[in-house]
Amino acid sequence: AQSVAQPEDQVNVAEGNPLTVKCTYSVSGNPYLFWYVQYPNRGLQFLLKYITGDNLVKGSYGFEAEFNKSQTSFHLKKPSALVSDSALYFCAVRDGRGGNNRLAFGKGNQVVVIP
Amino acid sequence: DTAVSQTPKYLVTQMGNDKSIKCEQNLGHDTMYWYKQDSKKFLKIMFSYNNKELIINETVPNRFSPKSPDKAHLNLHINSLELGDSAVYFCASQQQGAGLQGYTFGSGTRLTVV
Repeated sequence: AQSVAQPEDQVNVAEGNPLTVKCTYSVSGNPYLFWYVQYPNRGLQFLLKYITGDNLVKGSYGFEAEFNKSQTSFHLKKPSALVSDSALYFCAVRDGRGGNNRLAFGKGNQVVVIP
Repeated sequence: DTAVSQTPKYLVTQMGNDKSIKCEQNLGHDTMYWYKQDSKKFLKIMFSYNNKELIINETVPNRFSPKSPDKAHLNLHINSLELGDSAVYFCASQQQGAGLQGYTFGSGTRLTVV
């Protein structure tokens, strides 16, 4: 089955510093990868996706992600973190079992941006 | 206008009761899902319907029964609630077809079984 791993539980970063949230994937075939953000007591919101094309994908709220095939990674990045970026971040991959486009999610990373 | 709406937002009930959670999407999407988010924030797929047809049923106890009266609605009925059912349940919709689209999530239903 297709899967993603988010190795860190929590990422702490000072406001204004670069933010990186790590994700590695394990797929057979082409990977279709996503990032979502969950603010407290809210549903998940789509940030960006990689299907094909440029390895650097730009998304919402100033986030971008870099697809790296040799390292099987899809890390989420933001050049300058804001306190309002504090949230739970999920990496996801298309799990094509049964020809379906369902997504399998990683365990999530809590990001804490320190003022 | 909320794209994917779930009701209720909070649900507190006693063990053994039967309860339902409703989900509606106004995006015209073909597919709807139910996910369970446990206390460790892990998201696990439960069910998926495509145009009212059940296409995914992931080893969920048969106390959980989804119903899709039309492609805009996917409800979740739970019989004989247990303490372990306490979680946040998310509904999501997805458009199928050309290009791979992500999900649009509802805001979740926090179920607490006491």
